[in-house]
Amino acid sequence: AQSVTQLDSQVPVFEEAPVELRCNYSSSVSVYLFWYVQYPNQGLQLLLKYLSGSTLVESINGFEAEFNKSQTSFHLRKPSVHISDTAEYFCAVSAPQGGKLIFGQGTELSVKP
Amino acid sequence: DVKVTQSSRYLVKRTGEKVFLECVQDMDHENMFWYRQDPGLGLRLIYFSYDVKMKEKGDIPEGYSVSREKKERFSLILESASTNQTSMYLCASSPLRGDEQYFGPGTRLTVT
Repeated sequence: AQSVTQLDSQVPVFEEAPVELRCNYSSSVSVYLFWYVQYPNQGLQLLLKYLSGSTLVESINGFEAEFNKSQTSFHLRKPSVHISDTAEYFCAVSAPQGGKLIFGQGTELSVKP
Repeated sequence: DVKVTQSSRYLVKRTGEKVFLECVQDMDHENMFWYRQDPGLGLRLIYFSYDVKMKEKGDIPEGYSVSREKKERFSLILESASTNQTSMYLCASSPLRGDEQYFGPGTRLTVT
């Protein structure tokens, strides 16, 4: 079975500052890893995912995450945030062919001017 | 673009009522899921389905049932709504097991 822990429930940051949202997972098998974003009053949208290959994955809006197998982590980073990045971010894990995504508790990113 | 639609964005029901939440996807996905989302708890899986007329319990199935008569439609049923079922309900679909899921906009259900 897999589990996910997002280490911060809320992250306040000023505009143009760097940010890191932390995610650790537990699994006895190989994993797929995902970051989703949820803007207010909307459903979840995929931000980026790691299935295999390069451990560094990037999104189209400047976020990146690195799969670290030894530390069982998949932290999300952005070097310079915008007001529009304010949202809730969810880390999720699944087993290949396993079917189910296991979600973390979510991290609220609040970007202030 | 994959589109997952849910029948209502907001719903208010009384305790004891039977509630139907409908979800439709337009990309011929085999796999469909129902979650509830509560503050501080993230998303919790209620039921999922890998094929028509097939269903499996998720982590919190008590008080819910589902129906999948057609591939594109997955319905969540609250047989007798209770106040502790007040929540945001999210439907998702996926083409492959374990891979990315596509989410609908959610239904915010209030049971009074």
